[in-house]
Amino acid sequence: QVQLQESGPGLVKPSETLSLTCTVSGHSISSDYYWGWIRQPPGKGLEWIGSIYHSGKTFYTASFKSRVTISIDTSKNQFSLNLSSVTAADTAVYYCAKYYYYMDVWGKGTTVTVSS
Amino acid sequence: EIVMTQSPATLSVSPGERATLACRASQYIRSNVAWYQQKLGQAPRLLIYGASTRATGIPARFSGSGSGTEFTLTISSLQSEDFAVYNCQQYDTWPYTFGQGTKLEI
Repeated sequence: QVQLQESGPGLVKPSETLSLTCTVSGHSISSDYYWGWIRQPPGKGLEWIGSIYHSGKTFYTASFKSRVTISIDTSKNQFSLNLSSVTAADTAVYYCAKYYYYMDVWGKGTTVTVSS
Repeated sequence: EIVMTQSPATLSVSPGERATLACRASQYIRSNVAWYQQKLGQAPRLLIYGASTRATGIPARFSGSGSGTEFTLTISSLQSEDFAVYNCQQYDTWPYTFGQGTKLEI
């Protein structure tokens, strides 16, 4: 059974870089699938940030392209999100998810607050 | 990017009744739509993919229909555990996009 778990700081200062890691268990991250990051600001809908294919190819949405990096570490079976120059608007619950087209496995989510 | 518009924003229904939720795509997306259920404080859960195929373990009271630009999620007889937020998502064209959600309340 595939499981995903997000980890990282719950508080980030404005202008700094938000860094999160998603640890995958029950499946080798290098063998197949896309691995994505989605966020949900308080009281708002789901927002796709970007994703990475098992080969390492990345896909970013236009809203984040200038400040996001997603990477993969096959030795640790993890993939990571770096979002630079954060502001209060980046406060959200961040989810990682596995998908090919639709997302069939999600992490539980981690809350990140941007505040000084 | 493709905009997914859900209606209504909030739907008030009684347990045992039928609920019908709508999702409209801003352009043709074949049947490349998924529906997710999200309860407060939890991650979304996949309900439907391919517009009408139930995901593993999803009860038969959940059904999806539509193709092209108009899609519907129907819950035939609402149980107490079904009151949640429902999101549609298109995966026809990158960037994949979500609707803004429909809150199903008692």
